[in-house]
Parts: sequence; C-alpha cells; structure tokens
Amino acid sequence: AQSVTQLDSHVSVSEGTPVLLRCNYSSSYSPSLFWYVQHPNKGLQLLLKYTSAATLVKGINGFEAEFKKSETSFHLTKPSAHMSDAAEYFCVVSDGAAGGGNKLTFGTGTQLKVEL
Amino acid sequence: DADVTQTPRNRITKTGKRIMLECSQTKGHDRMYWYRQDPGLGLRLIYYSFDVKDINKGEISDGYSVSRQAQAKFSLSLESAIPNQTALYFCATSGGSQETQYFGPGTRLLVL
Repeated sequence: AQSVTQLDSHVSVSEGTPVLLRCNYSSSYSPSLFWYVQHPNKGLQLLLKYTSAATLVKGINGFEAEFKKSETSFHLTKPSAHMSDAAEYFCVVSDGAAGGGNKLTFGTGTQLKVEL
Repeated sequence: DADVTQTPRNRITKTGKRIMLECSQTKGHDRMYWYRQDPGLGLRLIYYSFDVKDINKGEISDGYSVSRQAQAKFSLSLESAIPNQTALYFCATSGGSQETQYFGPGTRLLVL
C-alpha cells in the first residue's frame, strides 16, 4: 500500500521569498515520486519526478525536490517565488510495476498563494 | 497537455441521466486512466486500462463504467448520475513502463 501526506493545505509567501511545500510518503516498494502543478481551470502539469537516480531532482520553472528516504519525505522548494507560481501543487507516489502497474496515489494538494 | 483531449469540458445534467465523458490522445500511449478530483481530496482513480482488452477498476469505480474503443480513446460513463458525482474529471495517459502520466484539461460535471 502507498500513501502521501501533504502537510499544509495552504501556503502563503511573498514574491521573491523561498517556497517550501512539504510532502511525506509511505510505500511498500521503492517508490517513484512526482510533483504536479494545477493552475486555475487547467489540467495537471508535471513539475518533476524522482525515479531512484539522483536524490535532488530539478524540475521546470526553478522548482526542485529532494528525496530523503530516512525521513520518507519529498519536499518541493523554490528559491524565489513568482506571482505565476500561484497554483495548487500535488505530491504523488507510484509503486511502479512492483506495486501493480504504475498506479498513482495523490496527496490532497497544497494551495500556494503568492503575495506582492 | 494538448495531446490529451477531453469532451465535453463542462456538463450539467440531472439525477438519473446517463452521461458519457470522452478522452482521446495522440501520444501513442497504451495506458489510459480516469480520475475524479474533489476539493480537499486530491485525485482518485476510477478506472484504468493498460491496453484495449485490459480494463481495471480503480479506487472508486462504483457508479461508473468505461469503454476502451481504441488505443487512443477511453470513455467514462455514468449510467445513472447522482449529485455526489459532481466533480472535476481527468483523463490521463502513460506509455509502456514509463510512470509519468500526462493529463487532459478536465471535464467539469455538475449533477443536479
């Protein structure tokens, strides 16, 4: 079984300040982990993914995430927030083929607000 | 992602009506998925298909059915819609052993 916990349902930052969106996971296998972003009235876009290579993963738009197995965490960060980063972010875990075929389990989402 | 399209984008229907949501993809992927999104719950898997002859129930399949008409098309049906099926529905695709899923723009469904 696999699960994802996003520790904050809402995060508010000022433009130009760092962003931290927290995610903890649980998996019976060696997981793959993803962050997706959903802008208002849009579909989901892949930000980045971890698939057992480098533990620090760089994604699009300046985002990155670090896989920490000892802490079962995969937090998403960005050094400097931009107004266009305001969106909902989903942390996602996959057990891959070992878990029964690439099924994704989504966290409940973190709404990021960026203020001037 | 323009490679995954969903129709309709918005739909209002009444309790008891049958409704079909359609998904098409031009990515050449063999795997397709249907999710629903509810506020505060993230996305939950309804059905998934690994190829035309392989259909599987997801986490919340009750009240839904699917049809994989071709590799590129995967339809979701609500046989008798009820108000708690009001949600945002997403189709997604993935290719072979790749775990990354690519999502359509979503269909917003309101059941009165």
